[in-house]
Amino acid sequence: GDSVTQMEGPVTLSEEAFLTINCTYTATGYPSLFWYVQYPGEGLQLLLKATKADDKGSNKGFEATYRKETTSFHLEKGSVQVSDSAVYFCALSEYSTLTFGKGTMLLVSP
Amino acid sequence: EAQVTQNPRYLITVTGKKLTVTCSQNMNHEYMSWYRQDPGLGLRQIYYSMNVEVTDKGDVPEGYKVSRKEKRNFPLILESPSPNQTSLYFCASSPKIGYGVEQYFGPGTRLTVT
Repeated sequence: GDSVTQMEGPVTLSEEAFLTINCTYTATGYPSLFWYVQYPGEGLQLLLKATKADDKGSNKGFEATYRKETTSFHLEKGSVQVSDSAVYFCALSEYSTLTFGKGTMLLVSP
Repeated sequence: EAQVTQNPRYLITVTGKKLTVTCSQNMNHEYMSWYRQDPGLGLRQIYYSMNVEVTDKGDVPEGYKVSRKEKRNFPLILESPSPNQTSLYFCASSPKIGYGVEQYFGPGTRLTVT
């Protein structure tokens, strides 16, 4: 079946550092890929998505590129802020369900 | 405001006492779903519904029931809760299920079963 693997956290960074959170997937077909973010005490909200190979999703300074050849969708941001501290989930959608990774906690200190 | 609401937000109950967690969306979405979130396991789907009167099991349906009598509501029912159902529960909805369609999540319900 489908699965998503993302790097374990927590990832601890200083403000303005570069962020990468790795995400790889296995799927039987050609899935859509998503990054969701969960701020403390809140539900998940969509951060960005990509629906075909080489598409780049971007939002709030975050980017991720759909790499079919490496089955990856790594999340990057050039300069993180304290307000980016949250849990980040990589997910894929192929048929009638959304499959999530286990989540990566990001902690950004001033 | 377009949103998914859940009630209650927090619930402490005892083993075996039936409970219902409500979920409602005001976006006229066809697809609704329930997830549970547990440390180290991420989010796992419990049940989903493609439309009114159409429901199906997700990855972890044991011990749960759902119904979809109206488009906007999708309650989660625990007939006889057990401590292993202590978790954070999220309801989500989307216009449909399909390629590239995002899901909108409620704020979560933290359930503790003693």
